Amino acid sequence: GENVEQHPSTLSVQEGDSAVIKCTYSDSASNYFPWYKQELGKRPQLIIDIRSNVGEKKDQRIAVTLNKTAKHFSLHITETQPEDSAVYFCAARGTDSWGKLQFGAGTQVVVTP
Amino acid sequence: ETGVTQSPTHLIKTRGQQVTLRCSSQSGHNTVSWYQQALGQGPQFIFQYYREEENGRGNFPPRFSGLQFPNYSSELNVNALELDDSALYLCASSSGAGNEQFFGPGTRLTVL
Repeated sequence: GENVEQHPSTLSVQEGDSAVIKCTYSDSASNYFPWYKQELGKRPQLIIDIRSNVGEKKDQRIAVTLNKTAKHFSLHITETQPEDSAVYFCAARGTDSWGKLQFGAGTQVVVTP
Repeated sequence: ETGVTQSPTHLIKTRGQQVTLRCSSQSGHNTVSWYQQALGQGPQFIFQYYREEENGRGNFPPRFSGLQFPNYSSELNVNALELDDSALYLCASSSGAGNEQFFGPGTRLTVL
């Protein structure tokens, strides 16, 4: 089955700097890659996603890139703000795995003013 | 915030007991997926229901079972609770088995 690895496990950045989180996946048939943000005690919130027919997608300060050959995808947050502090999860879904999302272990992002 | 709701918010049970958790999907969504999130980890897929049928299952034993109702709300039942079942249980609804999933707030289950 699909296996997703996520790095780093923790990331501290100064306000205004960029943050990058990287994930690798094992199933070359995976075709959908969402990113979720989870604040302490709250639900995971979908912040951006990308499908396998696209190499990059942007939404304001957030962007995701996908390299299908290398089987990795990354989340980029620019001009970080204190409210970006949270745990971020990447996930992958294969073509034959219905709606099953395989999640990474998460990255704790801390943005210091 | 999504339109996905879950009840109860918190629950404390003892080992060996049974528990039922509930999820109401977002309006227009016919698919509910259930996940278990242990402390400090990513959500783990339990199963998915699409139009009242189980549509896929993760690596969880049969004592984890579920239902989906005609209004697409869903229940997760866990029998013979074990200490390791202590976790946040999340449901996610979507407008189809392969579409974007939106999570509810979760039910925090503690097994003593």
